[in-house]
Amino acid sequence: DAKTTQPNSMESNEEEPVHLPCNHSTISGTDYIHWYRQLPSQGPEYVIHGLTSNVNNRMASLAIAEDRKSSTLILHRATLRDAAVYYCILRPHQTGANNLFFGTGTRLTVIP
Amino acid sequence: ETGVTQSPTHLIKTRGQQVTLRCSSQSGHNTVSWYQQALGQGPQFIFQYYREEENGRGNFPPRFSGLQFPNYSSELNVNALELDDSALYLCASSRASTGYEQYFGPGTRLTVT
Repeated sequence: DAKTTQPNSMESNEEEPVHLPCNHSTISGTDYIHWYRQLPSQGPEYVIHGLTSNVNNRMASLAIAEDRKSSTLILHRATLRDAAVYYCILRPHQTGANNLFFGTGTRLTVIP
Repeated sequence: ETGVTQSPTHLIKTRGQQVTLRCSSQSGHNTVSWYQQALGQGPQFIFQYYREEENGRGNFPPRFSGLQFPNYSSELNVNALELDDSALYLCASSRASTGYEQYFGPGTRLTVT
């Protein structure tokens, strides 16, 4: 399975934008880029996913490099509730094969 | 709240014993995946069930087994428990037809002594 590389930890001030980077240099053409986050004492939570184009939803934006070897999750205004571990995951596009392979993720600390 | 429930919340077992963990998937979801999360690590994929059949397996020994029922709920069974099996066990449900989002339960914390 293609691997991703993320910084172990990042900090952000409350109400400021946060850019969480992810490198995936061995990504294949059919791999989707997924982001999940895990709040303390909870199971992971889906955030966003994309293939080639940038994506926006109510939670975040996903910016994908033109060569797809890296991506950035953007939280437009960090809140204290956004403090979590963020996982960048590559998922092959196969019907039914929707298991996820998590790395160690980036622990985001939001400073009031 | 995702609609995925797991029981029990916490469990303490002794090495060598057997344990069964349960998961109820979100309404309309026919695929269930199980993950093991050791302290400080990301979740590791154990296996997935789709329409009552195992549909993929991670790097876990055969003493980890599972079942999916006609209502799409699922069980994870672990035999001959080892100390390293102490972890948070997460289940996640999804629609196999899309599979883009997996909805995770809160997990069962298993401690093996």
